[in-house]
Amino acid sequence: GQQLNQSPQSMFIQEGEDVSMNCTSSSIFNTWLWYKQDPGEGPVLLIALYKAGELTSNGRLTAQFGITRKDSFLNISASIPSDVGIYFCAGQLGGDFGNEKLTFGTGTRLTIIP
Amino acid sequence: ETGVTQTPRHLVMGMTNKKSLKCEQHLGHNAMYWYKQSAKKPLELMFVYSLEERVENNSVPSRFSPECPNSSHLFLHLHTLQPEDSALYLCASSQSLGPGLAGGGYNEQFFGPGTRLTVL
Repeated sequence: GQQLNQSPQSMFIQEGEDVSMNCTSSSIFNTWLWYKQDPGEGPVLLIALYKAGELTSNGRLTAQFGITRKDSFLNISASIPSDVGIYFCAGQLGGDFGNEKLTFGTGTRLTIIP
Repeated sequence: ETGVTQTPRHLVMGMTNKKSLKCEQHLGHNAMYWYKQSAKKPLELMFVYSLEERVENNSVPSRFSPECPNSSHLFLHLHTLQPEDSALYLCASSQSLGPGLAGGGYNEQFFGPGTRLTVL
């Protein structure tokens, strides 16, 4: 089956630092998604990418859909305490309903050191 | 209530118990999902219902039995579980395009807060 390799698994940074994480796949996806999960909550969508090469921003977050359609990265600039959480990438083939299911990465746990 | 709600939030059960997880979505969506989230593993899709019909069953053991009585409610019935079934069970909903319709964009899946299940 499809697998998404997400790295790094965890990050320990100081407030104000920039963060970068990425996701690679063994197969092509037509949509790449980045979710964040806070403790005790379900994942919440941050950014959706629909086109190879697309670069999309949402506030301090920037994500790119790799040109090969097999990878994506997420950058967070000037981190703040509320950025703490687990970030997941997810890929979707799209099209007919049968391909709407998501394949998730293993997550990147972000911790901000005081 | 807004969004996707799940009850209970925490559940501890023995291997011989029978229990049910409940999910309710208040978003007017027509598709609902059950996911399993275990430590250090990707979210695993378990079941998908579209228009109240099961369209996906990802080789889930029969000790997990889903039920979707209407488009707003989804249940996961549990019986004779194993300790390795302990995990966070997440429900999600989306507005599905339905079979045979070409996609365009992503129909966002909205997740509930999950039920933390511990099997003793």
